[in-house]
Amino acid sequence: RKEVEQDPGPFNVPEGATVAFNCTYSNSASQSFFWYRQDCRKEPKLLMSVYSSGNEDGRFTAQLNRASQYISLLIRDSKLSDSATYLCVVNSASKIIFGSGTRLSIRP
Amino acid sequence: EPEVTQTPSHQVTQMGQEVILRCVPISNHLYFYWYRQILGQKVEFLVSFYNNEISEKSEIFDDQFSVERPDGSNFTLKIRSTKLEDSAMYFCASRYDRTGRDTEAFFGQGTRLTVV
Repeated sequence: RKEVEQDPGPFNVPEGATVAFNCTYSNSASQSFFWYRQDCRKEPKLLMSVYSSGNEDGRFTAQLNRASQYISLLIRDSKLSDSATYLCVVNSASKIIFGSGTRLSIRP
Repeated sequence: EPEVTQTPSHQVTQMGQEVILRCVPISNHLYFYWYRQILGQKVEFLVSFYNNEISEKSEIFDDQFSVERPDGSNFTLKIRSTKLEDSAMYFCASRYDRTGRDTEAFFGQGTRLTVV
């Protein structure tokens, strides 16, 4: 089983749509969780941290379910500028593991 | 805003040659990482470094690879004898975590290594 697993997409949705990404991780001892965004040929950049209580940042909502080892990201009212690859990231002690990423393309 | 810097941005090298990729992590960070991303593929963990030694390394990080923190600021990745399949983007990252509370990792802009 992969350490961090994501739906690879691509997701192609119209501007204004709501889109949801899912991620599962295999190591129950994982300590912290993040969503990163990566634009083509650029470095990954932090989008938001993910907590069991859930957290929201504008149009973005992230949720962690430790029991199910499941992480989600919801993007509401998507913009053209949201087009990117979204990476689920899990910290386990000294190792940070990336999912393979979900590519999102927003069309006008 | 503090940032992780990497040099060079692009390196072309002949197969079999040694390359050194350089990184300057954020100054008060304690954990340092190297990742690679082959074009169109996922970001792969290579190695983590803490307290002047390797904490963990992946299967990719074989004897051809080594890391060093030669002074208080630089963190380098050396590939001893490059192969064509080493062509990739290499990202350096650093993370703080002195209190034991996990924080996010910050990534440099990457070095694109092309082996010909």
